[in-house]
Amino acid sequence: SAVISQKPSRDICQRGTSLTIQCQVDSQVTMMFWYRQQPGQSLTLIATANQGSEATYESGFVIDKFPISRPNLTFSTLTVSNLSPEDSSIYLCSVEAPNNEQFFGPGTRLTVL
Amino acid sequence: AQSVSQHNHHVILSEAASLELGCNYSYGGTVNLFWYVQYPGQHLQLLLKYFSGDPLVKGIKGFEAEFIKSKFSFNLRKPSVQWSDTAEYFCAVNAGTGRRALTFGSGTRLQVQP
Repeated sequence: SAVISQKPSRDICQRGTSLTIQCQVDSQVTMMFWYRQQPGQSLTLIATANQGSEATYESGFVIDKFPISRPNLTFSTLTVSNLSPEDSSIYLCSVEAPNNEQFFGPGTRLTVL
Repeated sequence: AQSVSQHNHHVILSEAASLELGCNYSYGGTVNLFWYVQYPGQHLQLLLKYFSGDPLVKGIKGFEAEFIKSKFSFNLRKPSVQWSDTAEYFCAVNAGTGRRALTFGSGTRLQVQP
C-alpha cells in the first residue's frame, strides 16, 4: 500500500487569495490524481497529474484556477486560485499503486470566507 | 464516459441486521470496481476491489461484493452490521485499460443503531 500525506490538513482563507496543497507519497508512483469533495457530496476528479507532462484537467476545471505541479514521482501540489466561498471543499490526492489499487490522502479541508 | 449510480442515499439499520448496498455502473468496456468507506472524520479507505476472476470478492471487516456483469452491478453486502460500520460508502469504477482515474457514485450514508 502507499502512504500519502497532505499539507495543510485544513485552512481558512480569504476570498481572492490562493491556497497551495502539497501531496507526498512514500513510494514512487506514476499516476497521481486530485479530487474535490464538496460538502455532503461525492468525489469529483479535478485532474490527473503525471510526472514529466502537463496535468490533464476534467471538464469544468481549468489550469488557471487549479494549477498543478508534479516535479517528481513522489510529490505534487495543487493550487486553488482566486478563492471564492464556492471553493470550500475537501481536496484529496490519490495515487495508483502498481497493483492497480488506488489510495487516498487524508484530504485538505478548505474554508473560504 | 463512465458513470456510477448508488441508489441508496441513506440507510438506517439496527445492529446485527444484514446489509446490501446497490451499485450500478455504465461503461461498455472492461472495468475495475471498488468500494471505499469513509468513517466519520477519517479519510477514504479501500474496502474491496474487483479486477477479474471470481465475481464474489471479500474485503476487510467482513464485507463482500458480487460483480454481476450482465446487470452492470457490484453490490456490497455484510451479513451482520455493527455500530462501528456507521460510515459513508462509495462505489467507484475505472477502466480496465486506459483511463485510470476513478469515477465515484454519490455515496450511501449508513447509520447503524445500537
